[in-house]
Amino acid sequence: AQTVTQSQPEMSVQEAETVTLSCTYDTSESDYYLFWYKQPPSRQMILVIRQEAYKQQNATENRFSVNFQKAAKSFSLKISDSQLGDAAMYFCAYFTGNTGKLIFGQGTTLQVKP
Amino acid sequence: SAVISQKPSRDICQRGTSLTIQCQVDSQVTMMFWYRQQPGQSLTLIATANQGSEATYESGFVIDKFPISRPNLTFSTLTVSNMSPEDSSIYLCSVPEASGTWDTQYFGPGTRLTVL
Repeated sequence: AQTVTQSQPEMSVQEAETVTLSCTYDTSESDYYLFWYKQPPSRQMILVIRQEAYKQQNATENRFSVNFQKAAKSFSLKISDSQLGDAAMYFCAYFTGNTGKLIFGQGTTLQVKP
Repeated sequence: SAVISQKPSRDICQRGTSLTIQCQVDSQVTMMFWYRQQPGQSLTLIATANQGSEATYESGFVIDKFPISRPNLTFSTLTVSNMSPEDSSIYLCSVPEASGTWDTQYFGPGTRLTVL
């Protein structure tokens, strides 16, 4: 069964600095998708970034980028120029068409210090 | 992405009662998903609701406790039955991206349920 692990329950970063959130996963599939979702306090879950496993190029969305290491089954999220609005819980998630299910990691709470 | 709304946004209920949560999407989608997020925890899939067929439940969730309706392609309800304090959670619905691949899901704002 596929699993997703986020080993950092909490992280903090100074405003304007860069932070990296870690995620590892376990799967025997070769074709799958990986996601980072952001859940601000008491607010809606938002899709941050999506990565297709067959693509070697790392996905980027403005200040957000990933380091996708397929062989190592690692999928970290880098947030550059951190802003106060980046404070949230971040979830790493895995999807494969074989099961049609989105599997979430435990989440990392990010604090941004002014 | 689709615009998803949920009602109610939050509720406080007494144990033993039931609550029905509504999920409305602004576009037609074949599949809708219901998740539970217990306090401080990650999301767990409860069931997948396809229009015109019975919902498919994940291990640990049963239809008697979480009946789901899917009367059309833009609407679904999840009922939390015979509630206990352990049911206190955020309940979220999600839908896949309307066009292209169905791997990407978008989430509603959630219903925050507290059971006393």
